[in-house]
Amino acid sequence: GDSVTQMEGPVTLSEEAFLTINCTYTATGYPSLFWYVQYPGEGLQLLLKATKADDKGSNKGFEATYRKETTSFHLEKGSVQVSDSAVYFCALSRRRALTFGSGTRLQVQP
Amino acid sequence: DTAVSQTPKYLVTQMGNDKSIKCEQNLGHDTMYWYKQDSKKFLKIMFSYNNKELIINETVPNRFSPKSPDKAHLNLHINSLELGDSAVYFCASSQETGNYEQYFGPGTRLTVT
Repeated sequence: GDSVTQMEGPVTLSEEAFLTINCTYTATGYPSLFWYVQYPGEGLQLLLKATKADDKGSNKGFEATYRKETTSFHLEKGSVQVSDSAVYFCALSRRRALTFGSGTRLQVQP
Repeated sequence: DTAVSQTPKYLVTQMGNDKSIKCEQNLGHDTMYWYKQDSKKFLKIMFSYNNKELIINETVPNRFSPKSPDKAHLNLHINSLELGDSAVYFCASSQETGNYEQYFGPGTRLTVT
């Protein structure tokens, strides 16, 4: 079946550091890929998405590229801020439901 | 305006009780979902409703039953609550067509004592 694997956290970075959170997936066909973010005590917010191979999703300085050859959708940001501290979820969409990775907690220190 | 809303935000109850969580979306979406997030933050699909028809039921115990009175509402009823039901439950919605981008509610934290 479908699955999503994310790097384990927590990831602790200093402000203005470069961020990479790895995500790989297993699925048949061509799923859509998403990154969602969950701030403390809140629900999930869509951060970015990509619907086909080589698409790059971007939002709020975050980027991720749909790599079919490596079945990956790694999240990157050039300079993180304290306000980026949250849990990040990689997900794929097939048959309408989302399959989520286990989430990666990011802690950014001033 | 809140796009996807859930009530209550917190629910504390005893084992064996029956409870309901309500969800409403004002986005005009055709499909609604319930997800469960456990204590380790892992999220898993429970149900999906499309135009008032159940289309996914991912091996959830039959103590859980979704009820959709109309396209904008999907309520979750839970009978005979157990300790293991304690979790955060999220409602979501999406358009039926397209790339199934989903919008989530704020969650309901259920604690069973």
